[in-house]
Amino acid sequence: SAVISQKPSRDICQRGTSLTIQCQVDSQVTMMFWYRQQPGQSLTLIATANQGSEATYESGFVIDKFPISRPNLTFSTLTVSNMSPEDSSIYLCSVATSGTLETETQYFGPGTRLLVL
Amino acid sequence: DQQVKQNSPSLSVQEGRISILNCDYTNSMFDYFLWYKKYPAEGPTFLISISSIKDKNEDGRFTVFLNKSAKHLSLHIVPSQPGDSAVYFCAANEGGSNYKLTFGKGTLLTVNP
Repeated sequence: SAVISQKPSRDICQRGTSLTIQCQVDSQVTMMFWYRQQPGQSLTLIATANQGSEATYESGFVIDKFPISRPNLTFSTLTVSNMSPEDSSIYLCSVATSGTLETETQYFGPGTRLLVL
Repeated sequence: DQQVKQNSPSLSVQEGRISILNCDYTNSMFDYFLWYKKYPAEGPTFLISISSIKDKNEDGRFTVFLNKSAKHLSLHIVPSQPGDSAVYFCAANEGGSNYKLTFGKGTLLTVNP
């Protein structure tokens, strides 16, 4: 499986500000995803980061709030914009490689713990 | 509407005994099921998966059983070890071009020495 790193690992931010989270993979991957885990909740998919085109967002998530970039096959960023305390969560990057089973198995980064005051 | 449910928030087991973690789902379109383990301050680690065409998949101490008619799957860990203490997430997707994973809320497993 790929080695995935995320920066920052944690941050404390003031409401109204924005934070950009980076995800770096040690090998080229087909698919990259961004998830959120709110306190006491399950992981929820925010969007699929598409290389060279706009991300595909899940219901309830919009580009203005969570802009995503994916300039190449090993890197993606997620920005949490105009933050409020409700955005306090763990944000996780995941990847999948091409091929039937591998595409369905996603591997996760260590996560970014965000606290908004 | 929670499509993947893990009804036990926690489970405590003695070292050496069997741990059984359960998961129920409601979406009949789910085609592929996965278990992840998560330690505090780390991302989820893939453990084992099963396709809907199978009813059992085994990998070392870990076995996943799938009962499609009951829409139920379980993860068996035998023998349980203290290092297995973590949160276990059940996840599912519809396969094909739908990559979205739907997760349960997780079960905290504690293996006591």
